[in-house]
Amino acid sequence: DQQVKQNSPSLSVQEGRISILNCDYTNSMFDYFLWYKKYPAEGPTFLISISSIKDKNEDGRFTVFLNKSAKHLSLHIVPSQPGDSAVYFCAARGGSQGNLIFGKGTKLSVKP
Amino acid sequence: EPEVTQTPSHQVTQMGQEVILRCVPISNHLYFYWYRQILGQKVEFLVSFYNNEISEKSEIFDDQFSVERPDGSNFTLKIRSTKLEDSAMYFCASSGQGRNTGELFFGEGSRLTVL
Repeated sequence: DQQVKQNSPSLSVQEGRISILNCDYTNSMFDYFLWYKKYPAEGPTFLISISSIKDKNEDGRFTVFLNKSAKHLSLHIVPSQPGDSAVYFCAARGGSQGNLIFGKGTKLSVKP
Repeated sequence: EPEVTQTPSHQVTQMGQEVILRCVPISNHLYFYWYRQILGQKVEFLVSFYNNEISEKSEIFDDQFSVERPDGSNFTLKIRSTKLEDSAMYFCASSGQGRNTGELFFGEGSRLTVL
């Protein structure tokens, strides 16, 4: 039972272009959504989040969009840089104590 | 910058042996978590811990698993009798205010290999 789904296991983008990573969820009770970035042999690192009462949050090159009616969120990275190459995990907060439920991740490769 | 630290970075053990993974959360955080990631799969929630007791746990966290905060700084995950399928990266995380903040801070993980 996948409550948080990232249907694209990988994405390849040219440096300077936009990267769009997608995430779908099934539970309408999730109240907070987050994106984490993970390099090999390291723990996930928080990138950006959005509350369920908003539809957009922007932080520098990173913007997260939330479409509650479609139960869909996306992360836009523009312009993409080679250092952005990593696995990106979408996560939703659903537990009573703040625990996160993660998607399977999308591996982003940004080519110079 | 404060960070979550985990030891050991890698542990190899024989099936049936007990394993203890250790974590030092960020010092003023109140909520603690263990997650795991089996190779090639997603990061999975195991357990959350607050006020010296388990607040939530997943179906993965069965009787073979236990957590403890033996002193003011350490947070441990014990696997009583390891199985082959326990081989994974185990991540400890902490947060300041649980539900009041979305962000969890993760350690770099402990890789467990069960032979």
